[in-house]
Formats: sequence, C-alpha cells, structure tokens
Amino acid sequence: GAVVSQHPSRVICKSGTSVKIECRSLDFQATTMFWYRQFPKKSLMLMATSNEGSKATYEQGVEKDKFLINHASLTLSTLTVTSAHPEDSSFYICSAPGLAEQFFGPGTRLTVL
Amino acid sequence: GENVEQHPSTLSVQEGDSAVIKCTYSDSASNYFPWYKQELGKRPQLIIDIRSNVGEKKDQRIAVTLNKTAKHFSLHITETQPEDSAVYFCAASLTINDYKLSFGAGTTVTVRA
Repeated sequence: GAVVSQHPSRVICKSGTSVKIECRSLDFQATTMFWYRQFPKKSLMLMATSNEGSKATYEQGVEKDKFLINHASLTLSTLTVTSAHPEDSSFYICSAPGLAEQFFGPGTRLTVL
Repeated sequence: GENVEQHPSTLSVQEGDSAVIKCTYSDSASNYFPWYKQELGKRPQLIIDIRSNVGEKKDQRIAVTLNKTAKHFSLHITETQPEDSAVYFCAASLTINDYKLSFGAGTTVTVRA
C-alpha cells in the first residue's frame, strides 16, 4: 500500500526553540495532508488540514502562529512548532488520503525540555 | 462538527473469546467509518472500514456493523489472540474523499493468555 514517512521520528529540544517536522507521501501525490496530535493514552486530535499551494485550515483552538504548516509540493508538508514549550511535548502524526483510505505517517515524538 | 464516542475505554478478554467495541457519532451526514489498531508508539493501522451503503462487513476474525438510523457502529473481534492486544480507535468522516477524520477516545484491549 501507499507509504507516508515522517522525519524526524524523535526530537528533543530546549524551550523557546523551533522544531520542524516533515511529512512525505512516498509513492503518491497528496494535495491534502492532515496533522494530528496525540497525548499519551489519548486519542488523535486533528490540528489542521494542510493544502498544497494554499493556506492550511486550522481546527478550533489550534494557534496557527504557533504551529506553522507549509505544503510546498504534492508530496511534502511540514509542521513547525515555533517557540516550543514543555506543554507542546506530544506525539505528532501526519496522514495523507489515498484512493480508498487514509495513510498515516509513523509519528514524531517531540519532547521539549 | 462530528463527535464520536467510544466504549468501553478498556477491555480485557480471555484468549479465544470475542471482543466488542461500540461507537456512536453525531453527524448523520457521516458515511465513512474506519477502525484503527495502534500499538504503543506506532502509527494507527486500518483494520477494517465500512461505508454507509452497507450494514455489515467482515474480514476473517474482524467484523464491523453499522446502524445509520441509530448512528452507531461496532467492531467485533472473534477468537481473540494475544497479538490483538492494542488500542483500537473508531473514526468517522463526512465523505469517502473527505478523510477529515474524527476519532473516538480509544479502547485498550488486553487479551489474556
């Protein structure tokens, strides 16, 4: 089946720094990608919809200036967590819709010290 | 927006017994209902899905039923095995191509050997 990759898989950073997470569709094009956040033992919460060539659509309560999303090509979307704080520590997962199902990336574990 | 509720939050079954997880949704326009299995620190993996034009779908030991009138759908796992132990999420979206998924809270399934 289709493959979605994420990089990095794990990142530890200091408070106040910015972290960029990449999501790539490896063998198909995705005009839309989704970014989710998952806290330990919790469900996936949709943060935003990334749209190729246009602005991302953010879910209610998600700060667009905090979580910058860029969808520069049909195979790449990036999520940048700006001025990260410990409360931003979480598991971030992207996904891209295929013809008949949504394909998830392996996730990025972000730890902010 | 769509609200998906999932029960139970935890489920412990004896190996060989059946496991049933139930979900309800709020938006009657939703018509795509996937189920995901997620192991710790891994990406969600689609195990079965159902679309609104059918009431039941089966794949070996896994089956899903959908009642659109009552707005609920259920996952049935028969002859459970230890490798079925994981967190299971139900989800719903408006259209097949929308893939903006709303997830249930998850069910931690433990299969006792």
